[in-house]
Amino acid sequence: AQTVTQSQPEMSVQEAETVTLSCTYDTSESNYYLFWYKQPPSRQMILVIRQEAYKQQNATENRFSVNFQKAAKSFSLKISDSQLGDTAMYFCAFMNWQAGTALIFGKGTTLSVSS
Amino acid sequence: EAQVTQNPRYLITVTGKKLTVTCSQNMNHEYMSWYRQDPGLGLRQIYYSMNVEVTDKGDVPEGYKVSRKEKRNFPLILESPSPNQTSLYFCASSLSARLGTEAFFGQGTRLTVV
Repeated sequence: AQTVTQSQPEMSVQEAETVTLSCTYDTSESNYYLFWYKQPPSRQMILVIRQEAYKQQNATENRFSVNFQKAAKSFSLKISDSQLGDTAMYFCAFMNWQAGTALIFGKGTTLSVSS
Repeated sequence: EAQVTQNPRYLITVTGKKLTVTCSQNMNHEYMSWYRQDPGLGLRQIYYSMNVEVTDKGDVPEGYKVSRKEKRNFPLILESPSPNQTSLYFCASSLSARLGTEAFFGQGTRLTVV
């Protein structure tokens, strides 16, 4: 069974600084998708970034980028130039391409950005 | 506007009183699913549906029912709610599970069972 592990329950960072959130996963599959979702205090789930496992190039979306290490089964999220609006819970998620049934989520990392 | 709509957003009910949480999407998505979110546990899938009339259990299906009679709607039914079903519930839809497309989430339903 696939599992997703986020080892940092809480993190904090100052505005304008860079922070990296860790995520590791366990799977025997070779084709899959990885995601980072953001959940601000409004509790809305918002997609931050998506990575296809067959692509070697790391995905980027403006200030958000990932470091995808397929062999190490690691998928960390880097937030550059942190803003107060980045304060949220961040979830790493895995989807198996073959089964295509569920997003499997980690337990989340609460990020606090302070001024 | 493309969206997933859940109702109600907040619900307090008593043990054993049947309830339904509705979910509707206007994006013609094939795939819909229900998750519950509990502190320290992340989101866990309850049920999912690959298409109309096709549903299957997720990781935590006990105590829940679903139906998919129409493509746009995917209600979650608690026939006899218990306090351990107190949680934050999310409905999600995506174009196709097999393409790894983005999942769109509803606003969430905070359910309290007393």
